[in-house]
Amino acid sequence: NAGVTQTPKFQVLKTGQSMTLQCAQDMNHNSMYWYRQDPGMGLRLIYYSASEGTTDKGEVPNGYNVSRLNKREFSLRLESAAPSQTSVYFCASASVSGLYNEQFFGPGTRLTVL
Amino acid sequence: ELKVEQNPLFLSMQEGKNYTIYCNYSTTSDRLYWYRQDPGKSLESLFVLLSNGAVKQEGRLMASLDTKARLSTLHITAAVHDLSATYFCAVDMGTGNQFYFGTGTSLTVIP
Repeated sequence: NAGVTQTPKFQVLKTGQSMTLQCAQDMNHNSMYWYRQDPGMGLRLIYYSASEGTTDKGEVPNGYNVSRLNKREFSLRLESAAPSQTSVYFCASASVSGLYNEQFFGPGTRLTVL
Repeated sequence: ELKVEQNPLFLSMQEGKNYTIYCNYSTTSDRLYWYRQDPGKSLESLFVLLSNGAVKQEGRLMASLDTKARLSTLHITAAVHDLSATYFCAVDMGTGNQFYFGTGTSLTVIP
């Protein structure tokens, strides 16, 4: 049981390059999330997916796209990277049962855009 | 939009001392979560608080929730170095779709 996995762990891009961050979970959770973490700002939600086939914007969606490929996988794409997107990106999943919605986080991807 | 504020942002405390971290939020919610993050690592769930008056304890950490005051506290008893980390609180609006995190409290326990 690996929990939530993310690839890659580290990435350096040049301004304007594109890339996709991959996330997978093996806990049979319905909901998945992408966050970015910047110093002094906590975690901010980029996009989330409440179920397979659905995605919605979070607090900071500009410059990103997502795909919920199936129940297990949720990818985040940067079409044209900008230095402002330098951050640590975390994927999370949760079983939204109505009682509580505890999130489980992946190890993170540290992205630098030059 | 829900706002979540933590204080203090930075906390340096001596081993053996007690301290409390505060988490205030701006909109009614009865679901609050505490996480721990070690440097360079991911977030680890500590506590889930689901109702007014809820109290959870694990080792030297105790979390409580007052939904009327929109306040949660994380109390540290007799701190040890291993508790050095950043602690986040997070609130969800009940749908499970939008979680709002505080800015975190960076705790350093010094001998």
